[in-house]
Amino acid sequence: EPEVTQTPSHQVTQMGQEVILRCVPISNHLYFYWYRQILGQKVEFLVSFYNNEISEKSEIFDDQFSVERPDGSNFTLKIRSTKLEDSAMYFCASSEVNRGGSPLHFGNGTRLTVT
Amino acid sequence: SQQGEEDPQALSIQEGENATMNCSYKTSINNLQWYRQNSGRGLVHLILIRSNEREKHSGRLRVTLDTSKKSSSLLITASRAADTASYFCAYPNFGNEKLTFGTGTRLTIIP
Repeated sequence: EPEVTQTPSHQVTQMGQEVILRCVPISNHLYFYWYRQILGQKVEFLVSFYNNEISEKSEIFDDQFSVERPDGSNFTLKIRSTKLEDSAMYFCASSEVNRGGSPLHFGNGTRLTVT
Repeated sequence: SQQGEEDPQALSIQEGENATMNCSYKTSINNLQWYRQNSGRGLVHLILIRSNEREKHSGRLRVTLDTSKKSSSLLITASRAADTASYFCAYPNFGNEKLTFGTGTRLTIIP
């Protein structure tokens, strides 16, 4: 069964550094998402992406965050200047349909630790 | 109470028993979904129930949806040790693409 893959599985970075989290969504999916989960807390929506542009974003997704689909397969989340509070699990997801009308397929996440 | 609240927060049962988890929400929805998360892993979609459905089954899973009470329940019958995980409800707000996730129920099946 096709799956969403994320790399790296664990990233440690110093405060103020830039990080790029990478994802390969399922190949025939058209909608891509990033969510994050701070340890022991709720899964929070960050951003959705369709047709090479952001279609929706949350208040968390400020100017420090950006997303890109540099080629036909990768989908990346960049944090320009990491803060301690950015430490979390970051999950990429993809779906065939938008408007929450179809299930999301999640990757196994990248654990980001900012020191 | 918060949107997407689930109860109980944690549940421990003996293998073979049934487990019931509940989810409440506040907005209008066109569907509600349930996901499972094993420790340190991504979320796995279990089942989606549409707003015009009252009950849906998938294997040992049974989901109900009561839009008048803005609540849903997930029943896992004949539980197994492998069912140990956190379970989340999630729903899209009308017109939005994002899913709002509940707080989750941590289920432990005791062999």
